[in-house]
Amino acid sequence: KAGVTQTPRYLIKTRGQQVTLSCSPISGHRSVSWYQQTPGQGLQFLFEYFSETQRNKGNFPGRFSGRQFSNSRSEMNVSTLELGDSALYLCASSDGGSHKETQYFGPGTRLLVL
Amino acid sequence: AQSVTQLGSHVSVSEGALVLLRCNYSSSVPPYLFWYVQYPNQGLQLLLKYTTGATLVKGINGFEAEFKKSETSFHLTKPSAHMSDAAEYFCAVAGGSYIPTFGRGTSLIVHP
Repeated sequence: KAGVTQTPRYLIKTRGQQVTLSCSPISGHRSVSWYQQTPGQGLQFLFEYFSETQRNKGNFPGRFSGRQFSNSRSEMNVSTLELGDSALYLCASSDGGSHKETQYFGPGTRLLVL
Repeated sequence: AQSVTQLGSHVSVSEGALVLLRCNYSSSVPPYLFWYVQYPNQGLQLLLKYTTGATLVKGINGFEAEFKKSETSFHLTKPSAHMSDAAEYFCAVAGGSYIPTFGRGTSLIVHP
C-alpha cells in the first residue's frame, strides 16, 4: 500500500497570506489527523477528521481550519499567516475505529512564514 | 484526561551501549501506549505499541518496551545502540480519546 502523502513538501509564505496543505491517507483509512510540530512546542494536535466530519479539535485559533473529502483526502487551511505559524505540519491517517490503532504519518509540509 | 512525560530531552550514548529512553504516562482509563521514531525531515514511524496482554513489547530495529502499570511507565530500551538509531523518539498514550497524546520527544545521540 502507498503511504501517507503530503503536498507540498516545502512552502514559503509571507505574513497575512493564506495557505492550503493537502494530505492523502493510506487507502481505506477513514481518519486523518493534523499536527503542528515546532522546536518550542513539540507536537501539537490540530484536528481530526473521520468520514468527512471533524471529530476532534485541538486548541488552535479559528485561522486554522480543515476539511475531508469523500475519498478521505484532507486539506488544512491557515488564513492570515503569522510568523509563529512557521512549523512542520504533519498529517497522520488511521482506520479510526479504535483507540489502539497506529497512526501512520506522512513526511510533513514544512511551512516558513516571512 | 491523559498525558505523557518523557524524561530527558536529550540522551547521549556510545555505539554499542544500552539505550534507555524514559516515558511516564497518566491516563484515567487503561492506556494504549506507543513509541514512535522520527528521522530528520521525515514523519513519525511506529516502533512498537502496547494494547493488552504481554507487558514486554518487542518492536522494530531491536527496540523493546515494558509496560509497568504500578509505575505508570513505558520505557524504551535497546541492548546495543547503533549509529543509525540517532533520531527523535516520541512516547504517546491513547485510551481516553481517539487522538493520542504525545510527549515532547527525546533526541537520541549516538557517539562512535
